Amino acid sequence: NAGVTQTPKFRILKIGQSMTLQCAQDMNHNYMYWYRQDPGMGLKLIYYSVGAGITDKGEVPNGYNVSRSTTEDFPLRLELAAPSQTSVYFCASSFSGELFFGEGSRLTVL
Amino acid sequence: AQSVSQHNHHVILSEAASLELGCNYSYGGTVNLFWYVQYPGQHLQLLLKYFSGDPLVKGIKGFEAEFIKSKFSFNLRKPSVQWSDTAEYFCAVNAGNTDKLIFGTGTRLQVFP
Repeated sequence: NAGVTQTPKFRILKIGQSMTLQCAQDMNHNYMYWYRQDPGMGLKLIYYSVGAGITDKGEVPNGYNVSRSTTEDFPLRLELAAPSQTSVYFCASSFSGELFFGEGSRLTVL
Repeated sequence: AQSVSQHNHHVILSEAASLELGCNYSYGGTVNLFWYVQYPGQHLQLLLKYFSGDPLVKGIKGFEAEFIKSKFSFNLRKPSVQWSDTAEYFCAVNAGNTDKLIFGTGTRLQVFP
């Protein structure tokens, strides 16, 4: 099992550019999540999904979009990158309430 | 809305000292409680969890946590810390009927030899 795989690990974007952070899990988990982590702020939930075709907003969804066409994949899209989206992004899946995290994607918007 | 408070933002200890990190949550119903650890440059890993039963739960690497329902608390403890415990520790809460895990802001622990 690879667990939760995120790509890319690092990315620098210019203001206004768009990009997609990829997330895939091979544990057949129904629940998947996207968090962002900022220094001193902990983890904030951006979006989550309880299964293929179902997504819902978390605490900080503005500026992001997600889709869940398959159980395995849960990509996060930034349409118009802004400096406030500079952060480390973690994808996770869960089973029985326990989260399994990916390695993280560090995004810088300049 | 659920929230999680970790009042210790930065803790500095010497090796062999005892550790207690506070965690309080706001939710009146059934909760599942977690402590996650993030070692430098790594992703979060589960340290321990409480769903029901014995309120004193033991996790990996000698950590334990006690759920005190009347105080809405789930403090993390370790009798004797090691340099390798240097990391950031996150408390998290999942209300019994939701799918969302809400995290505290984290406590950075530095252990000096």
